[in-house]
Amino acid sequence: SAVISQKPSRDICQRGTSLTIQCQVDSQVTMMFWYRQQPGQSLTLIATANQGSEATYESGFVIDKFPISRPNLTFSTLTVSNMSPEDSSIYLCSHTREDPQYFGPGTRLLVL
Amino acid sequence: GENVEQHPSTLSVQEGDSAVIKCTYSDSASNYFPWYKQELGKRPQLIIDIRSNVGEKKDQRIAVTLNKTAKHFSLHITETQPEDSAVYFCAASINFGNEKLTFGTGTRLTIIP
Repeated sequence: SAVISQKPSRDICQRGTSLTIQCQVDSQVTMMFWYRQQPGQSLTLIATANQGSEATYESGFVIDKFPISRPNLTFSTLTVSNMSPEDSSIYLCSHTREDPQYFGPGTRLLVL
Repeated sequence: GENVEQHPSTLSVQEGDSAVIKCTYSDSASNYFPWYKQELGKRPQLIIDIRSNVGEKKDQRIAVTLNKTAKHFSLHITETQPEDSAVYFCAASINFGNEKLTFGTGTRLTIIP
């Protein structure tokens, strides 16, 4: 499978600020996704990152809060905007070419 | 949309015994069912998956069974070892995994030495 990395691995941010998380895959992949995992919870899909077009957001997630870019087949970014303590979570990107789906190491975000 | 339920939420098993985790899904269009293991502070790691055209799949001590009619699938771990202790998530997807995954709520498995 393609190797997938994320940065930063963790960050502590002040409320009201924004953080951009980068996801890099070492080879071209078909699909890239962004998930959120709140403390002690399961994974929830935020959006599908579409190459060259706007991301497809799941119910409860909006572009103004979580803008996503995917300029090519190996890279995507997720921005968490105007953060509040409720945004404290692990954010994970994933990729697939054909099944299965592999996850990046995650970005652990704490908002104070 | 798809809804995946997972039971039990916690499971304690004596080392060497078997563990079974069960999931049900709601969307009959789902055709791909992976299982992930997540250790503390780590990313979810795929341990086994199954497509809807197969009823059972086995990989050493791990097996998954699928009942399409009943819309449920199960993870079976035999001869459990302490390193099997982790949180396990089931998931479901359409288009054989080339679409989003809908996850179950997770099962915290503890192996008692």
